[in-house]
Amino acid sequence: EIVLTQSPGTLSLSPGERATLSCRASQSVDSRYLAWYQQKPGQAPRLLISGTSSRSTGVPDRFSGSGSGTDFTLTISRLEPEDFAVYYCQQYGSSPPYTFGQGTKLEIK
Amino acid sequence: QVQLVQSGPEVKKPGASVKVSCKASGYLFTDKFIHWVRQAPGQGLEWMGWVNPHTGDTEYSQRFQGRVTMTRDTSVSTAYMELSRLGSDDTALYHCATQSWWCFDHWGQGSLVTVSS
Repeated sequence: EIVLTQSPGTLSLSPGERATLSCRASQSVDSRYLAWYQQKPGQAPRLLISGTSSRSTGVPDRFSGSGSGTDFTLTISRLEPEDFAVYYCQQYGSSPPYTFGQGTKLEIK
Repeated sequence: QVQLVQSGPEVKKPGASVKVSCKASGYLFTDKFIHWVRQAPGQGLEWMGWVNPHTGDTEYSQRFQGRVTMTRDTSVSTAYMELSRLGSDDTALYHCATQSWWCFDHWGQGSLVTVSS
């Protein structure tokens, strides 16, 4: 099983600042198979980025993804108030084929 | 637009079974696999398995093998997830989601299942 470890667990920043969220895999992940989701309280997760760096329709360009192998990053260039949420990375691999990180909570400082 | 509308909350006793539904609209139901992902209160996301609406084929996480059954009814564009032998640690929000490439592009609102004696 590929384990995804996200850091930090909680990130406290102010609107306008840059956020850098990390997702580290226990084994190498094909970059086609790494995605990021945003979840706000009381809502379902929303797909932000697939294939490491491809933004979903409607996702602002302040969100960007990068990485390869075992280290992946979600960057929010300039935080807006609506960006404060929990973020999950997810990979497709083998047994089980789909796993998620434990999440990073991005909170207002 | 793609919509997944799930069934309402359920309260079950330990040892019972629960069946959650997920009605799809806005696309051809047989075109996209449907996955089930659960989220315990205050916790992260856990993948449970998928059903191929076209063929009825399924794949389950080993963690739920033997306890979960995923089915579909193409006549009403609805997928179902049944979980048996419920324990208190099965209390969670159960989401259905459609697959796009290797991730999940549309999600249902979630169905809360509470297991309590």
